[in-house]
Amino acid sequence: DTAVSQTPKYLVTQMGNDKSIKCEQNLGHDTMYWYKQDSKKFLKIMFSYNNKELIINETVPNRFSPKSPDKAHLNLHINSLELGDSAVYFCASSQEAPETQYFGPGTRLLVL
Amino acid sequence: AQSVTQLGSHVSVSEGALVLLRCNYSSSVPPYLFWYVQYPNQGLQLLLKYTSAATLVKGINGFEAEFKKSETSFHLTKPSAHMSDAAEYFCAVSDHSGGSNYKLTFGKGTLLTVNP
Repeated sequence: DTAVSQTPKYLVTQMGNDKSIKCEQNLGHDTMYWYKQDSKKFLKIMFSYNNKELIINETVPNRFSPKSPDKAHLNLHINSLELGDSAVYFCASSQEAPETQYFGPGTRLLVL
Repeated sequence: AQSVTQLGSHVSVSEGALVLLRCNYSSSVPPYLFWYVQYPNQGLQLLLKYTSAATLVKGINGFEAEFKKSETSFHLTKPSAHMSDAAEYFCAVSDHSGGSNYKLTFGKGTLLTVNP
């Protein structure tokens, strides 16, 4: 069974469109995260939710809106996509500290 | 705020040679430190972590890392490289962001290539 899964794996879209990425974890963890990995492989946290509550919001444009319907799911909706949004987006989850974060396989977003 | 510096964006070794990937951190509180590996087109996988117990930490696939507080370092080593070790390696430090939540701050990664 996949611990942290993301859909879709690849996403190619036009500038200005709205898209969503879904993430699910079956590890029973309380905390979930979204990271962005840019073309130079640099990883930066975007958001973190703990038990459906937003904990971390790292100066991300408000075109990005995370939603956690329950603690096993954390979705990322992106409005008005821009070229600079092209990246790999990783979902992760963890339980109590000290944290080991378990990562999903990533969603490769390409904005044309 | 925490930060991580990985010295060398690209390290190339021969198969069977020692692997040494360098990581230095800055932290105002005792850190938790991690090494993750990313194989091409995959997510990140935990190699090992330091959580204030033993300073020499053993991980998967024969890797180990030593926490040296005086040098603020957490270098990753493996005695003998294998072709399958070729991947991107990330050092990360954990920052307590409040409550039960921790934020990982990653270094910029080191690409390890292994030559036959």
